[in-house]
Amino acid sequence: DGGITQSPKYLFRKEGQNVTLSCEQNLNHDAMYWYRQDPGQGLRLIYYSQIVNDFQKGDIAEGYSVSREKKESFPLTVTSAQKNPTAFYLCASSLYRDGNQPQHFGDGTRLSIL
Amino acid sequence: GQQVMQIPQYQHVQEGEDFTTYCNSSTTLSNIQWYKQRPGGHPVFLIQLVKSGEVKKQKRLTFQFGEAKKNSSLHITATQTTDVGTYFCAVDDRSGTYKYIFGTGTRLKVLA
Repeated sequence: DGGITQSPKYLFRKEGQNVTLSCEQNLNHDAMYWYRQDPGQGLRLIYYSQIVNDFQKGDIAEGYSVSREKKESFPLTVTSAQKNPTAFYLCASSLYRDGNQPQHFGDGTRLSIL
Repeated sequence: GQQVMQIPQYQHVQEGEDFTTYCNSSTTLSNIQWYKQRPGGHPVFLIQLVKSGEVKKQKRLTFQFGEAKKNSSLHITATQTTDVGTYFCAVDDRSGTYKYIFGTGTRLKVLA
């Protein structure tokens, strides 16, 4: 089945630690995205990537980093500089064909501070 | 920058009642998407509207794009408990990138 796989489902971070969230897609989509969702809130864009080896900051990129070395993969690192990392992190992907296409989301990773 | 307002923020309805959520933009939109997120789940794409005045239906759900392409609505007829969740609109940020801006969402609770 084609889809987006995020791992792990739950993650705990110690103070001062960097953690990496995995996102893999086998939909052959061009674009990939990372969103942060806080309880009862909407989606805020962290980073997005249109093509391999290229990515742009979203609205809340501070304290996060990404890479896009392969079309299928877009890992997100939550660095120790992100002082309030507890949230639900969603990865998404989409095609771009004559305009934006629907975004397909993974099941998400819930990150908490120990 | 572009702003997307979604109202209401919350809505509680009795099962069988209708429900409507509205998405309003400060600028003219090229298209709009609607998503549903069940509690504890991830957003799932429902529909995309492109044309001015467009109306699309999916069973009990009716989606409408305003004539001026600055607003949109999602109407659910005779709500069921399976409609519970948060409904988001998402709009193209018109920067020529692949980027979308999500509305704040409307959380729907259906009382049996």
